[in-house]
Amino acid sequence: NAGVTQTPKFRVLKTGQSMTLLCAQDMNHEYMYWYRQDPGMGLRLIHYSVGEGTTAKGEVPDGYNVSRLKKQNFLLGLESAAPSQTSVYFCASSYGTGGTYEQYFGPGTRLTVT
Amino acid sequence: GDSVTQMEGPVTLSEEAFLTINCTYTATGYPSLFWYVQYPGEGLQLLLKATKADDKGSNKGFEATYRKETTSFHLEKGSVQVSDSAVYFCALRAGGTSYGKLTFGQGTILTVHP
Repeated sequence: NAGVTQTPKFRVLKTGQSMTLLCAQDMNHEYMYWYRQDPGMGLRLIHYSVGEGTTAKGEVPDGYNVSRLKKQNFLLGLESAAPSQTSVYFCASSYGTGGTYEQYFGPGTRLTVT
Repeated sequence: GDSVTQMEGPVTLSEEAFLTINCTYTATGYPSLFWYVQYPGEGLQLLLKATKADDKGSNKGFEATYRKETTSFHLEKGSVQVSDSAVYFCALRAGGTSYGKLTFGQGTILTVHP
């Protein structure tokens, strides 16, 4: 049982390049989330999904797109990277959304855009 | 909107000292409250939680009590160890949220010296 995994762990992009971050979970969770972590700002929600084939915007969605074609995978795309997207990206998943349901986090992807 | 405010850091303590990290929140309804811990190079792990007023969450010697009257969820530990060095995040999940979004504080860096 690997939990939540993220690929890649590190990436350096040039401004304007594109890339896709992959999140995978093996816990059969319905809900999946992408957050970004910036110094002094905690984590902020980018996009989320409440089930296979569904996605929705979080609080900082601009410049990102997501897809959830399979229940276990949640992809985060950057079509044209900008230096402001330099951050650490975390994926999380949970079985449900009630108070007893915990969000499990992946190890993170550190992205630098030059 | 919902928000979480943590005490300014970083916090530096000697081993066996008493720890308090303050956390206050603003939310509508009846949120669930959480403390997450992030060890160096890793993702976030749930440390403890409380889902209603006056609940006390506890784990690994850490405790926090959900105080609705003061809108607070302060983290405490009676005797810290070097292995507790990490970043601690207070977070809330608003009551009635349909997708489980977490709102995080900015994080507090804790360093414990031998």
